[in-house]
Amino acid sequence: AQSVTQLGSHVSVSEGALVLLRCNYSSSVPPYLFWYVQYPNQGLQLLLKYTSAATLVKGINGFEAEFKKSETSFHLTKPSAHMSDAAEYFCAVTPGGSGNTGKLIFGQGTTLQVKP
Amino acid sequence: GAGVSQSPSNKVTEKGKDVELRCDPISGHTALYWYRQSLGQGLEFLIYFQGNSAPDKSGLPSDRFSAERTGGSVSTLTIQRTQQEDSAVYLCASSLAGRGPGETQHFGDGTRLSIL
Repeated sequence: AQSVTQLGSHVSVSEGALVLLRCNYSSSVPPYLFWYVQYPNQGLQLLLKYTSAATLVKGINGFEAEFKKSETSFHLTKPSAHMSDAAEYFCAVTPGGSGNTGKLIFGQGTTLQVKP
Repeated sequence: GAGVSQSPSNKVTEKGKDVELRCDPISGHTALYWYRQSLGQGLEFLIYFQGNSAPDKSGLPSDRFSAERTGGSVSTLTIQRTQQEDSAVYLCASSLAGRGPGETQHFGDGTRLSIL
């Protein structure tokens, strides 16, 4: 079975500061991992994904994440926060390998606040 | 190009009524997912369609929930005899399947369902 834990339901940073959103996963098979962002009253937009290629994944809007198997983590980072980054962020896992449906198991989400 | 379209964007109905939610996936996407986003349960997978294969209904919370996908395109999620705990945002996503579970899911903006 797969599960995702996002540490911290709310994270607050100052504009220009480092953003770090934490995600730990549990998976009985090699996982595929995703970070999505959700703005108010909108659907989810993919930031980046890990699908067993490079462990350091770069995404849109300057975000990146590193897959660490030994730590079962996939933390999301951005060197310098912008006001426009304020949103809710979701980490998700799905079992890799052919034959799997791709249905996503989501963490509880982290709301990022960016202070001027 | 056009993204995933969901209608209605908002639906308010009385307890006990039936509701239908519609999803138009991105043209050419053969995989379609429904998820539910609620305050208490977070984001949960409901059902998955892929081409003409039997759907994966493992996430449907009760037999009051059903979904169909006609012609491999538009999907309708039906909730019968609605209950207050059905109040949530229902999100639809589609992807180009056939490349494995790592394929990106593209989300619609959701239908916000409120049960009075």
